[in-house]
Amino acid sequence: EAGVTQFPSHSVIEKGQTVTLRCDPISGHDNLYWYRRVMGKEIKFLLHFVKESKQDESGMPNNRFLAERTGGTYSTLKVQPAELEDSGVYFCASSQGPIQPQHFGDGTRLSIL
Amino acid sequence: AQKVTQAQTEISVVEKEDVTLDCVYETRDTTYYLFWYKQPPSGELVFLIRRNSFDEQNEISGRYSWNFQKSTSSFNFTITASQVVDSAVYFCALSSEEGSTLGRLYFGRGTQLTVWP
Repeated sequence: EAGVTQFPSHSVIEKGQTVTLRCDPISGHDNLYWYRRVMGKEIKFLLHFVKESKQDESGMPNNRFLAERTGGTYSTLKVQPAELEDSGVYFCASSQGPIQPQHFGDGTRLSIL
Repeated sequence: AQKVTQAQTEISVVEKEDVTLDCVYETRDTTYYLFWYKQPPSGELVFLIRRNSFDEQNEISGRYSWNFQKSTSSFNFTITASQVVDSAVYFCALSSEEGSTLGRLYFGRGTQLTVWP
């Protein structure tokens, strides 16, 4: 069984540009989560999808972040325009149910210059 | 509010030593889950264990063991006879079964474990 896949693994962009991160969850997992770790700090929740619906988006930092999960399969997280403080590692995770263990991808390391 | 504290930022041990990673949590909920994840140098987060708030039995899996004590709100992780391959960042996390944040994981800041040969 394929694990959670994230693309790209690294992204370096300039402030003001747009970046889109992609996550492919484990097949059959309805629950998909985005998290972010800013250097030296804890991993923080961004949002939670159940199928294509946003169950909880209270962790999204501001309206420069837009997450979608069309068709309830893969998800994208777009940052537009990117700011310096958006740098960090963005993790995606999926699970069968909301209280089941979440399986994480390798993360996308985002650097804003 | 949910909170997880991992007071140990870094730990170094020599191979074959036992090491315990501490995790203290805060929650007002009665039904919750505790997790440990391992992040090796390659970067991915690897699930190790999940415990629910009603099961305080200790668990052992090979060289790994976990001690859950509700009285002290702790969920500590012990590696026996540590090996170099155990070197990683270890995260403790909490999720609640109650309220609108169902499923969300609250992480501690992680403990960097280095095992020297």
